Amino acid sequence: IVLTQSPGTVSLSPGERATLSCRASQSVSSDNFAWYQQRPGQPPRLLIYTTFSRATGIPDRFSGSGSGTDFSLTISRLEPEDFAVYYCQQWDRSFFSFGGGTKVEIK
Amino acid sequence: EVQLVESGGGLVQPGGSLRLSCVGSGFTFSNNAIVWVRQAPGKGLEWVSCISGSGGSTYYADSVKGRFTVSRDNPQNRGYLQMNSLRADDTAVYYCARLRRDAAGFDYWGQGTLVTVSS
Repeated sequence: IVLTQSPGTVSLSPGERATLSCRASQSVSSDNFAWYQQRPGQPPRLLIYTTFSRATGIPDRFSGSGSGTDFSLTISRLEPEDFAVYYCQQWDRSFFSFGGGTKVEIK
Repeated sequence: EVQLVESGGGLVQPGGSLRLSCVGSGFTFSNNAIVWVRQAPGKGLEWVSCISGSGGSTYYADSVKGRFTVSRDNPQNRGYLQMNSLRADDTAVYYCARLRRDAAGFDYWGQGTLVTVSS
């Protein structure tokens, strides 16, 4: 399953809302979908699992939604530490794939 | 505190071999599958391999199947990635990560180890 993220880069200001999209080439179970954040020089961090659930310690300004082939990550009000690259991920029968990433940069 | 620490990266010539290690602490190692994910310089994430908690099941991305072998030593809290027939496009930072017990994502990651394949 191929995951396509859009946009590739988005330029926003702190306090603004960010909506990131991920489209799958075929239907994905909502239980098998996650989002990660990666800051420069750091390993990825799990943000959202099973499409909607926030991982431990993730603030509630992060939310996930979607089903089937279309999924979204929303950051309600961007904080300075949120400027990073975000990846979607799916898995099917223990085979995993990531999207190409969306970079959220400061405008 | 859950921790994963990779080691074993370095410079290797094309066609060579390298074995990466991942040591886990702060959790019951055998309870979780371990995955390997790589990231080429300036590129995105690519899943490489997964091994079940018992070690009885293994899975590979097509790009490494037949060249890489994943294994684990649960009493030693260690996972391994044996990489053979290395190519230039295997150059990447290799991360090990823990798969949540409900298989819903990779919840802890190591800091990564850099593998450079070059003559």
